[in-house]
Amino acid sequence: DGGITQSPKYLFRKEGQNVTLSCEQNLNHDAMYWYRQDPGQGLRLIYYSQIVNDFQKGDIAEGYSVSREKKESFPLTVTSAQKNPTAFYLCASSILKTGGTEAFFGQGTRLTVV
Amino acid sequence: AQSVTQLDSQVPVFEEAPVELRCNYSSSVSVYLFWYVQYPNQGLQLLLKYLSGSTLVKGINGFEAEFNKSQTSFHLRKPSVHISDTAEYFCAVSDSTGGFKTIFGAGTRLFVKA
Repeated sequence: DGGITQSPKYLFRKEGQNVTLSCEQNLNHDAMYWYRQDPGQGLRLIYYSQIVNDFQKGDIAEGYSVSREKKESFPLTVTSAQKNPTAFYLCASSILKTGGTEAFFGQGTRLTVV
Repeated sequence: AQSVTQLDSQVPVFEEAPVELRCNYSSSVSVYLFWYVQYPNQGLQLLLKYLSGSTLVKGINGFEAEFNKSQTSFHLRKPSVHISDTAEYFCAVSDSTGGFKTIFGAGTRLFVKA
């Protein structure tokens, strides 16, 4: 079955630690995205990528980094510079088309700082 | 710039009653509109989308939405809800100038009571 796989489902981070969230898709989509979800705030865009080896900052990129070395993979690193990282993180992908494009989402990773 | 406002953060309703979840958007150009549903601790899945043509759009699980350009609205409706419809619902918009980025509303939590 085609889809997006995020791992792990739950992740615990200690203060000052970097952690990497995995996102893999087998939909052959060019575009991939990372969103952060906090209660009552909807989804906020962290980073997005249109093509391998290229990515752009979204609305809340500070404290995060990404890479796009393969079309299928778009890992997100939450660095120690992110002051409030506890949240639900969603990865998505879509075809590359201006407007009108459905996004396909993974099941999410819940990150908690302990 | 695009924006999306979901007018109700929570909507409680009894089983088999009708429901309407309200969404207003702002954009200076032609828009594409979406409703997504999110069940607890899961990713989002597409309910329905409006790209062009008929303003009444039918989606999965018996939901439908009507695009109203003059009122810049895209309200989601279902004539008779089930307990299983309890979830969070997100309205989203993209337009022809925003590339493939989609802006999400803050979400409406639908709670269906027996």
